[in-house]
Amino acid sequence: DAGVIQSPRHEVTEMGQEVTLRCKPISGHNSLFWYRQTMMRGLELLIYFNNNVPIDDSGMPEDRFSAKMPNASFSTLKIQPSEPRDSAVYFCASSLPGQGVLDTQYFGPGTRLTVL
Amino acid sequence: AQSVTQPDIHITVSEGASLELRCNYSYGATPYLFWYVQSPGQGLQLLLKYFSGDTLVQGIKGFEAEFKRSQSSFNLRKPSVHWSDAAEYFCAVGREYGNKLVFGAGTILRVKS
Repeated sequence: DAGVIQSPRHEVTEMGQEVTLRCKPISGHNSLFWYRQTMMRGLELLIYFNNNVPIDDSGMPEDRFSAKMPNASFSTLKIQPSEPRDSAVYFCASSLPGQGVLDTQYFGPGTRLTVL
Repeated sequence: AQSVTQPDIHITVSEGASLELRCNYSYGATPYLFWYVQSPGQGLQLLLKYFSGDTLVQGIKGFEAEFKRSQSSFNLRKPSVHWSDAAEYFCAVGREYGNKLVFGAGTILRVKS
């Protein structure tokens, strides 16, 4: 299997622009997670989906952030408008169904976002 | 609420030496505990996990971890470090219900030859 696929790998944008990050989970995985990693705050869970339904979005920092999972093989994380403090590495992860948190999460390579 | 503390931001060990990375957690019930490794430019990879049973857990790449409830710790060990082990290591805690993991700040391991 190709693993979790994220695109783009790097994104540089200007403040105020809309940014869309994309994720394709491993086929057959029904849980999908979006994380943000920064030096200051470490690795934070933003939102996770089970069977395409958002379960916990308490980590989404504010209304500028939104995430969707229109089908089992695709998810997006959108930031509109973007701000310099959104600069971070954004990871997508997926896991098999069955054991909740015990299911191994498989991480993608991440998208490094820089907002100027 | 769950929390994880990794007291060491950086650790440097010589190749072939033993390694112990510290992790302390805070959680009211029985925790589910994990160690992940992140190589430069890569996503995280699961090394091992603990949820019940034998408190000494074996993982991939020769790593092991020991759960000590009395100390609220889940330290990661390796008897002999290889240069390829240089990476950042994250401890994480989860709860019985739900999928949410809370990660520590990470420990960067440097291996000197």
